[in-house]
Order: sequence, then structure tokens, then C-alpha cells
Amino acid sequence: AQTVTQSQPEMSVQEAETVTLSCTYDTSESDYYLFWYKQPPSRQMILVIRQEAYKQQNATENRFSVNFQKAAKSFSLKISDSQLGDAAMYFCAYRSARYYGGATNKLIFGTGTLLAVQP
Amino acid sequence: EAGVVQSPRYKIIEKKQPVAFWCNPISGHNTLYWYRQNLGQGPELLIRYENEEAVDDSQLPKDRFSAERLKGVDSTLKIQPAELGDSAVYLCASSYRDFYEQYFGPGTRLTVT
Repeated sequence: AQTVTQSQPEMSVQEAETVTLSCTYDTSESDYYLFWYKQPPSRQMILVIRQEAYKQQNATENRFSVNFQKAAKSFSLKISDSQLGDAAMYFCAYRSARYYGGATNKLIFGTGTLLAVQP
Repeated sequence: EAGVVQSPRYKIIEKKQPVAFWCNPISGHNTLYWYRQNLGQGPELLIRYENEEAVDDSQLPKDRFSAERLKGVDSTLKIQPAELGDSAVYLCASSYRDFYEQYFGPGTRLTVT
């Protein structure tokens, strides 16, 4: 079974600085997707960035970028020029790309990292 | 475009009471998911619907939990009777089809006393 591990329960960053959130995962599959979701106090999960495992190029979305190391099964999120609105819980998630029918599209989440942004 | 709507946002009940959560997915989204998020944890899938059919309910505790998605649009998740361990946030998500991006609602925070 696939697992996702986030070893940093909490992180803090100064406004305008850069922070990196860590995520490792375990899978025997070769084709899958990885995601970073943001969950602010409003509780609504918002997709920040996604990465297809078959792509070697790291995904980037404005101030958010990932460092995807497939062999090491590592998927970290870098937030540049941190803003107060970035403060939230961040979840790393995995999803298989293989169609098994039934249970396949299940997102498997880590336990999250709570990011605080200091003014 | 309206997002995924859930109600209520908060619910406090005593143990052994029934409770129901409602979800209205994004218009045109065939796939609907219910997740449970325990405190300090990531969400875990309870059930997935394709239209009105529950295609994956392997994680749903069927002795006390039930769900329905009549007409393949709105969905209701019910717990009867509730237990203290059911206290959690219940999230609903929808996607255009299976394998497309999932959009989440704001969730219902359930407290069982």
C-alpha cells in the first residue's frame, strides 16, 4: 500500500522569505501523481501544485515550485516570497495513475505541515 | 461558477444521536467523494460515487454510516448512531470524471459529546 509521510508538523517563515516543506512517499508503482494541497482555517482544501511522475521537469506555479526526486521518492514544496496569506496547513498527497476500477482514484494524504508566516 | 457546497458547517450532537451531512457538487461533475479528516490528520476517503452509483465504499463503516446520491447530483452522508470517535471534519469533493482534479467543499465539523 502507498503511504505519504510529512515529517515536519510545523514550520515558520518570515514574510518575503523562502520556505521548503518536505514530503516522502512509498509506492511500488511507476506511474502516479503527486499533489500539494493548502488548507486554510476555512478548511477548504485548495490544490497548489501537481506533478506527474513520468515528467522529469519540476512543476512550478508562480511562487510555488516542487523538487521531485523520483528515485528518492521525495516531493518537497518550495514557497518563495512568502506572504501572510500562505499561512495554512499544507498536505502532500499521492494518487495512482493506473486504473484498477473501483478504488483507484483515491488520494492518499500525509499528516500535514502547519505553516506560520511571521510579519 | 459555484464551488462544492456543504451544510451544515458545524454540528454538535450527543453520542447515539443521528446526524446527516449534505453536499452539492459542482454542476456537471459526475464523481463525488466523501472524506473524513480526523484532528491532525489528512483526509481519508470514505466513499466515491460515479453518478448515482457507489463505486468504492470499502472504507465506509457500514454498520453506522450510510450515504446516498439520488439522481446523481446532491449527496447525503449519515451516521446513526454517532459515537465519540466520529468527531472529525467531513469533506465532500467532486470532479468532472474519475482521474480529473478534485474540488473540495469547506467541510462539516462534527463534534460528538
